[in-house]
Amino acid sequence: EAQVTQNPRYLITVTGKKLTVTCSQNMNHEYMSWYRQDPGLGLRQIYYSMNVEVTDKGDVPEGYKVSRKEKRNFPLILESPSPNQTSLYFCASRDTGGAGGYTFGSGTRLTVV
Amino acid sequence: DAKTTQPPSMDCAEGRAANLPCNHSTISGNEYVYWYRQIHSQGPQYIIHGLKNNETNEMASLIITEDRKSSTLILPHATLRDTAVYYCIVYSYSGYSTLTFGKGTMLLVSP
Repeated sequence: EAQVTQNPRYLITVTGKKLTVTCSQNMNHEYMSWYRQDPGLGLRQIYYSMNVEVTDKGDVPEGYKVSRKEKRNFPLILESPSPNQTSLYFCASRDTGGAGGYTFGSGTRLTVV
Repeated sequence: DAKTTQPPSMDCAEGRAANLPCNHSTISGNEYVYWYRQIHSQGPQYIIHGLKNNETNEMASLIITEDRKSSTLILPHATLRDTAVYYCIVYSYSGYSTLTFGKGTMLLVSP
């Protein structure tokens, strides 16, 4: 089944403790992206990647890092999480060869205390 | 800047057609109209997209006006499981465009 898989689904952590949210897709998509969703603010893009070793900032990149060493994986790294990064996070991917839609993961609900 | 305008909420009776409007008066020639939906806290789900012709798939139909300044997503026989936030997004899929979500329309399907 074609899908984007995020792990973990839920995470509670403490301020300052480094964490990584993994994202993997099995569709050989070039484009991958991370979003966060907050009440009243909607979905906002954090980082995106056009292909392996090519990443760029989205609208809200502060406090986040990403890497794209392999085509299928696009982990989101929080080096020193803070409470304002408590949010619902989504990973998405798309084939840049056509006009098809994005496929989103099921989400990661992160709480930083 | 908002590129699309949608009503914040709509109601629909189960089994009836749901017609969700979207205005995109500043759409440019190479931009497509995409529709996604998000069922409570799940990942957004792609529904359909179109450039200028009407489109239909197993989920929905998309009607785009001739001047491309507005469109309507039609769910022909709404079910309770269609209750979700529906997002209309315009963007050019080529290369470096990013998907920007607005506030969408909350569709409530009732028995």
